[in-house]
Amino acid sequence: GAGVSQSPSNKVTEKGKDVELRCDPISGHTALYWYRQSLGQGLEFLIYFQGNSAPDKSGLPSDRFSAERTGGSVSTLTIQRTQQEDSAVYLCASSSQRGGNTGELFFGEGSRLTVL
Amino acid sequence: AQSVTQPDIHITVSEGASLELRCNYSYGATPYLFWYVQSPGQGLQLLLKYFSGDTLVQGIKGFEAEFKRSQSSFNLRKPSVHWSDAAEYFCAVGAMNDYKLSFGAGTTVTVRA
Repeated sequence: GAGVSQSPSNKVTEKGKDVELRCDPISGHTALYWYRQSLGQGLEFLIYFQGNSAPDKSGLPSDRFSAERTGGSVSTLTIQRTQQEDSAVYLCASSSQRGGNTGELFFGEGSRLTVL
Repeated sequence: AQSVTQPDIHITVSEGASLELRCNYSYGATPYLFWYVQSPGQGLQLLLKYFSGDTLVQGIKGFEAEFKRSQSSFNLRKPSVHWSDAAEYFCAVGAMNDYKLSFGAGTTVTVRA
């Protein structure tokens, strides 16, 4: 597609349930990022992929969070046993930048997660 | 580790007035600097970026920003705001050999008629 696509746009779940958030980056972009945006907060870095590998998972808040990327394209962020503090907007971004340099990130519209 | 501070949480400005949003960064190496805008319900859109060269950079929608190394600042300006500029603005810092982009907490801009 023309831009970064994320689904679902909105997800309401009950505490303790698992959720999966999907990101389809811009075609050809090798770098993919997940950020979390909580109310009144900036963007919190979660994880970075270069191709299918994730050299930096340091931002994942706990072992309930995991992410994978297949075929150098689509990525899935999984949150197990959701907690109320997981409620946030999860933003995905992709970039054509290689070699570990910061480039322009193109963002999706985000997946808003509400945990009741 | 790099960090970004946006001192103003919320700014209200009259339509047609000038706007300046402050951004201070902390980074040991030469920074790459970005400003993004997020309109309600939308993803983040890049306004402008600075990698090197001329310290005054022009962006989209009539915005500009000036890199001041001595002040570790990268303030965003617009001479005359439009109602459509009401949004949240984020400053971000990255670098060569650093894939991570670190964001400030954002400044919400309200435009009054």
